[in-house]
Amino acid sequence: EAGVTQSPTHLIKTRGQQATLRCSPISGHTSVYWYQQALGLGLQFLLWYDEGEERNRGNFPPRFSGRQFPNYSSELNVNALELEDSALYLCASSLVRGRDGELFFGEGSRLTVL
Amino acid sequence: LAKTTQPISMDSYEGQEVNITCSHNNIATNDYITWYQQFPSQGPRFIIQGYKTKVTNEVASLFIPADRKSSTLSLPRVSLSDTAVYYCLVGAQAGSYQLTFGKGTKLSVIP
Repeated sequence: EAGVTQSPTHLIKTRGQQATLRCSPISGHTSVYWYQQALGLGLQFLLWYDEGEERNRGNFPPRFSGRQFPNYSSELNVNALELEDSALYLCASSLVRGRDGELFFGEGSRLTVL
Repeated sequence: LAKTTQPISMDSYEGQEVNITCSHNNIATNDYITWYQQFPSQGPRFIIQGYKTKVTNEVASLFIPADRKSSTLSLPRVSLSDTAVYYCLVGAQAGSYQLTFGKGTKLSVIP
């Protein structure tokens, strides 16, 4: 069974540009989570999607947005890129709702903003 | 959601048992305790989850005292490949992972 897949693996952008990151959850998983991990820091929660709806978002500015498609895959968009947006962006999916379902993470997309 | 506190780093020699303790004083009745492992430039990987007493799987054991205000992840006979960051999370609802994983505990296994 395929795990969570993310693309692209690496992405280099310049300040002010937009970045789009993609995530495909494990088949059957309806929840998708996005996290940001800057160098040397812990994972910061960005967004949670379930059944196509945004269920929660972390403490990030509105230029971080996303969506979940009918097939449960998800897209994270970062507009007006800033240098501090350089980080590893991790996507996770889960099956169980209402309790602590195990999160399955992808390998991440490393975004570099120059 | 319960806040967790764990040591920033730990060192251990190969073959030793490693115990990483996590404090979560304001854990709620419905909260579960979950541990993840993360290698550099990879996504975290689920290790173990528990609610109370002891849970054991092929990778680790999780000890939770009766008051559930702390938990201890036990890794038996660590090897160099166990060098990673270990995160303790506490939560009850899907989306409880909305909070940061924190910086976790960086375990360094020494030959």
